[in-house]
Amino acid sequence: DQQVKQNSPSLSVQEGRISILNCDYTNSMFDYFLWYKKYPAEGPTFLISISSIKDKNEDGRFTVFLNKSAKHLSLHIVPSQPGDSAVYFCAASEGGGSNYKLTFGKGTLLTVNP
Amino acid sequence: DAGVIQSPRHEVTEMGQEVTLRCKPISGHNSLFWYRQTMMRGLELLIYFNNNVPIDDSGMPEDRFSAKMPNASFSTLKIQPSEPRDSAVYFCASIVGGGETQYFGPGTRLLVL
Repeated sequence: DQQVKQNSPSLSVQEGRISILNCDYTNSMFDYFLWYKKYPAEGPTFLISISSIKDKNEDGRFTVFLNKSAKHLSLHIVPSQPGDSAVYFCAASEGGGSNYKLTFGKGTLLTVNP
Repeated sequence: DAGVIQSPRHEVTEMGQEVTLRCKPISGHNSLFWYRQTMMRGLELLIYFNNNVPIDDSGMPEDRFSAKMPNASFSTLKIQPSEPRDSAVYFCASIVGGGETQYFGPGTRLLVL
């Protein structure tokens, strides 16, 4: 049973517009959430994270929103750029950090069209 | 600064053969993780080590899989005997104690014929 779900396998947006990637989780013990980006033939790279004590974290063009009651988080990319085209993984952990095991979603392929 | 190093990058083998995947974590990182990525199951944790000691191997699929970390700078994941359903990309990741994020290697793409 998937504890972290990314229900959209793919998303296509125009350059300059907003990209919104969604993630749902079922385990109420998760208290730390991350987004990773992955290019072909490379390993995932960390993008942004959020602790369950917050509902928003922002880093440049990237913002993650957390709705604990709905067990839902989203990643907003504004403005989207062609270089953002990649697979985005949502991940979650218990225990307040990445030192423990991460549970990943299956990923969403984002394509940003020029 | 070198990142996580994995070898080989690609491996093609025949069913029944032994396969050994290797990982060198980032220097100074004290936790190491092995993941497997498949189309069906996505990215799943197989095992992780803290200070060279296996902490959680509940993700290891079966006894054919084994992992070791003889020292802080080296880990292996072995499959013996390999089967076609083991075909996947295997990632190694490491993190420093108290760090924010795990750093992933480039992965080993394994194909078992």
